[in-house]
Amino acid sequence: GAVVSQHPSWVICKSGTSVKIECRSLDFQATTMFWYRQFPKQSLMLMATSNEGSKATYEQGVEKDKFLINHASLTLSTLTVTSAHPEDSSFYICSASPGVRSTGELFFGEGSRLTVL
Amino acid sequence: AQTVTQSQPEMSVQEAETVTLSCTYDTSESNYYLFWYKQPPSRQMILVIRQEAYKQQNATENRFSVNFQKAAKSFSLKISDSQLGDTAMYFCAFMRQKLTFGTGTRLTIIP
Repeated sequence: GAVVSQHPSWVICKSGTSVKIECRSLDFQATTMFWYRQFPKQSLMLMATSNEGSKATYEQGVEKDKFLINHASLTLSTLTVTSAHPEDSSFYICSASPGVRSTGELFFGEGSRLTVL
Repeated sequence: AQTVTQSQPEMSVQEAETVTLSCTYDTSESNYYLFWYKQPPSRQMILVIRQEAYKQQNATENRFSVNFQKAAKSFSLKISDSQLGDTAMYFCAFMRQKLTFGTGTRLTIIP
């Protein structure tokens, strides 16, 4: 199956700093990538949808100035948590779709655990 | 907006038994995909099974099968001959232009 790699898998930062998480599709071109947030023992909540070369579409209630998403190439999308605070601590997961050859299935990264002190 | 409901927060079953996880969804669309994903303690999302809404035949993948009732908007997952490695969170998901997850069912297989 297709592989999506997410980095870093675990990051700790101080309050007020920014953190960047990368999501790469290793063996296919991802026209669309999705970013999810998952709190402990809860489901995955879609934060935003990013299409290569265009601005991300954010879900209602997600601050786009807080969570900056860039999808500059067909194999890379980044999520930057700006001026992070303890309430931003969570598990962030990306997923990617190969687009025209898609069977509807999304391929998921391994996730990134963010802890803000 | 699409919603996905999983009414069983937790379930447990003896090893080798059969278990069924329920899922209902709400949509006005006629063409879509439905999925069951498994999330073990590693947190990696693993696709268990996929169903295309235009196909009437229920999908099957080895020990995993679904009962897809389009009119009732129901999509249950049956796990036969359950194994210890099946212990995980299971999420039902609806896909049209984006993937919407249900709240999940924590399944524990008891040795």
